[in-house]
Order: sequence, then C-alpha cells, then structure tokens
Amino acid sequence: AQSVTQPDIHITVSEGASLELRCNYSYGATPYLFWYVQSPGQGLQLLLKYFSGDTLVQGIKGFEAEFKRSQSSFNLRKPSVHWSDAAEYFCAVGMDSNYQLIWGAGTKLIIKP
Amino acid sequence: DVKVTQSSRYLVKRTGEKVFLECVQDMDHENMFWYRQDPGLGLRLIYFSYDVKMKEKGDIPEGYSVSREKKERFSLILESASTNQTSMYLCASRAGGEQFFGPGTRLTVL
Repeated sequence: AQSVTQPDIHITVSEGASLELRCNYSYGATPYLFWYVQSPGQGLQLLLKYFSGDTLVQGIKGFEAEFKRSQSSFNLRKPSVHWSDAAEYFCAVGMDSNYQLIWGAGTKLIIKP
Repeated sequence: DVKVTQSSRYLVKRTGEKVFLECVQDMDHENMFWYRQDPGLGLRLIYFSYDVKMKEKGDIPEGYSVSREKKERFSLILESASTNQTSMYLCASRAGGEQFFGPGTRLTVL
C-alpha cells in the first residue's frame, strides 16, 4: 500500500537559518507529489507540486523541493526562514493528478527569534 | 482566486445529534472532498465526490454520510454525533491536480 512518511513531527529553526523538511513515500511508480502549508487558523495552501520534468521544483514563498527517485523522497527546502513561516507542513502523494491523495502526518515548524 | 467556504469555523454539538457541515466552492470544480484532521494523523479522507449526486467512500466513512445535490455544494452529515468525531473537518475542491481547501470547521462533540 502507498504511504507517506514525514519523519519529523516538530522542527525548530532560528529565523534566517536554512530549512529542510523531509518526506518519503512508498509507491512503485513515479507519483505526483505535493507540499501544502497550514498556517495557524488557516486552511491548507499549496506550496508546490511535482508531476514530471525537472526534479527541482520552485514554489511560492521562496520554497523549493527536490524529487529524488532513488531515495523515494521529496524534501522541502528554504534557504532562509522568516517568522511568518511558522506553520504545519504536509507532504502528499497521488498516483496521478486526479487521484485521491495520501497525506503525511505533518511537520510543525517552530521559528526561534 | 478559488474560494472554498465552510459554514462554520467552530461548532459544539451534543452526543447523538445530527450534524451538518456545509462546503461551497465558487470555481465550478467537479471534484470535492471531505477530510478530517487529527494531530499526528495528517488528513484522512472521509468521502469524495466526482460530480453532482456522485459519491465515493474514502478511508474512514463510518459514521458519516454526504450529499452533493448541486455542483458547488458538498455536505458532510454526522448521523448521530459521537465524542470520537471531535475533530477538525476540512473541505476541498480539485482542479488540475491541485486541491483547494476551505478554512476548516472545528467540531466538538460533548
């Protein structure tokens, strides 16, 4: 069965430091990959998605993610975090663009001043 | 901008009550979804709908039903609310592979 793992429940990063959030999936073929962010009191917003092509994907708010087939990973990165990045981040995987998504448990990002 | 709205941000109900959660999207999307979100469990799919009057069970449909009489509206019904249905409920619509979410309804069942 397909599954998505976000190994870190919480991550604490100093403001201005770099960030990497991990996402690993279990699926036989190349999946469709998504990162969403949920700010406190808000709904989920799409940060970026990968369907095919260049494995380094640029998203909104200065985020990027890299698809690594050999590692079954789709890690999210940002070179310098801002206090407003404090939120919960969810990785999701689909077997095609119109299939229902399988969601990771989320990683809560805490920003230290 | 796509807008997905949910009828209530916070709701408190009693055990055994019938509860209706409403979701409306304004972009003519065919696909709509209901999830529940619990800490440490991510999002779990309750039901989804590919079109009007069509529905499919998700991973955790027990205790829930849905209604899609109009394309823009997707309702989640808790037939007899129980305390283990206390949760955050998220509605989404989909186009082009992307899901667009409403702000969520935090339901407490006492």
